[in-house]
Amino acid sequence: RKEVEQDPGPFNVPEGATVAFNCTYSNSASQSFFWYRQDCRKEPKLLMSVYSSGNEDGRFTAQLNRASQYISLLIRDSKLSDSATYLCAVNFDSGYSTLTFGKGTMLLVSP
Amino acid sequence: DTEVTQTPKHLVMGMTNKKSLKCEQHMGHRAMYWYKQKAKKPPELMFVYSYEKLSINESVPSRFSPECPNSSLLNLHLHALQPEDSALYLCASSQPNEKLFFGSGTQLSVL
Repeated sequence: RKEVEQDPGPFNVPEGATVAFNCTYSNSASQSFFWYRQDCRKEPKLLMSVYSSGNEDGRFTAQLNRASQYISLLIRDSKLSDSATYLCAVNFDSGYSTLTFGKGTMLLVSP
Repeated sequence: DTEVTQTPKHLVMGMTNKKSLKCEQHMGHRAMYWYKQKAKKPPELMFVYSYEKLSINESVPSRFSPECPNSSLLNLHLHALQPEDSALYLCASSQPNEKLFFGSGTQLSVL
């Protein structure tokens, strides 16, 4: 079973706020994990990979908890330009990057 | 910015038409993918080519016919589509089991 679950939101936050998204996945043998950002009518763009040790890229921090089968994304100091849909993606297969996506969480950052 | 190029960006076709979507990448990736995304839904995998051979077909109807002429090119031939096939068609590429990079997509409308 290959399922990825996300809260669809929307999350409405003011500029400067900190916001966190979670995502759960069904298969404990999952291989790799990613967060993508998608703007309306555009393609998904890779935001960051997610590692067990946690990783940070500027205002963005991603965490993986294999025991509980969830990944998280933390955005600090939200900007208006962060408004988008954030998709978590899980690769259940080895050998290919056949990602299964969550339905996405919409973030709206307001002035 | 994307190094995966898709044409056309928009396509309107009738149910009796035959058309093709094209995708090209010059990153030396050996795996290429077709995903389909309907509005407010996550991308869903259709086909995977690995080393120019069809490796995965996610039970896609035969009115969609993929083709991989060489390691840089991926086509999707369309014939006798239905209005419910209207969607954003995304091409992607990767090295096996590594990050997936998407093209900007073809927005397809079937009348």
